[in-house]
Amino acid sequence: DVKVTQSSRYLVKRTGEKVFLECVQDMDHENMFWYRQDPGLGLRLIYFSYDVKMKEKGDIPEGYSVSREKKERFSLILESASTNQTSMYLCASSPRGGGRAGNEQFFGPGTRLTVL
Amino acid sequence: DAKTTQPNSMESNEEEPVHLPCNHSTISGTDYIHWYRQLPSQGPEYVIHGLTSNVNNRMASLAIAEDRKSSTLILHRATLRDAAVYYCILIGGSQGNLIFGKGTKLSVKP
Repeated sequence: DVKVTQSSRYLVKRTGEKVFLECVQDMDHENMFWYRQDPGLGLRLIYFSYDVKMKEKGDIPEGYSVSREKKERFSLILESASTNQTSMYLCASSPRGGGRAGNEQFFGPGTRLTVL
Repeated sequence: DAKTTQPNSMESNEEEPVHLPCNHSTISGTDYIHWYRQLPSQGPEYVIHGLTSNVNNRMASLAIAEDRKSSTLILHRATLRDAAVYYCILIGGSQGNLIFGKGTKLSVKP
């Protein structure tokens, strides 16, 4: 069974803390994505990566950074957590090839982050 | 990005077929039509996708209108585990990221 795992299901942090969210996939996928999901706003893309050490900004990158040192791992970093970053964070991966638009994305279970 | 329109909610009885509609009148020629679903407290799950022709897989069927301005996800026999929010998404270009709208919340009654 293909798997995308995220380091925590639930996380509570304080304003100003540095937060690391880890995502690991075991499918040897080139593409990895970080989204956040908020009620009424759907999924919004934060950052994505098409290869090791490669990253590109999505629609809402402000306040976030990412790291992709190994193919299977994509980390999302909140440099200084704020209350408006309270959200569900979802990681996904997909294979390259066949056109990105046609590729299925595999999601992790999500991390519900609360910033107090 | 091309937009999709789906009903907010639908109800079905268990073991009956369900047809979930999606309108995408501004679809471009290179946009793929993807369907994902999200069960409560879980990440989204891929269901099916297509470009022009109808598609079948073990989970569902996708019927695409000839002009591609609408599509229908068909669950042949709904089960209680199919209760979820179903998202119809258009994906085009080189980026391939997903933009989820509000989706259709499917309720399945025993």
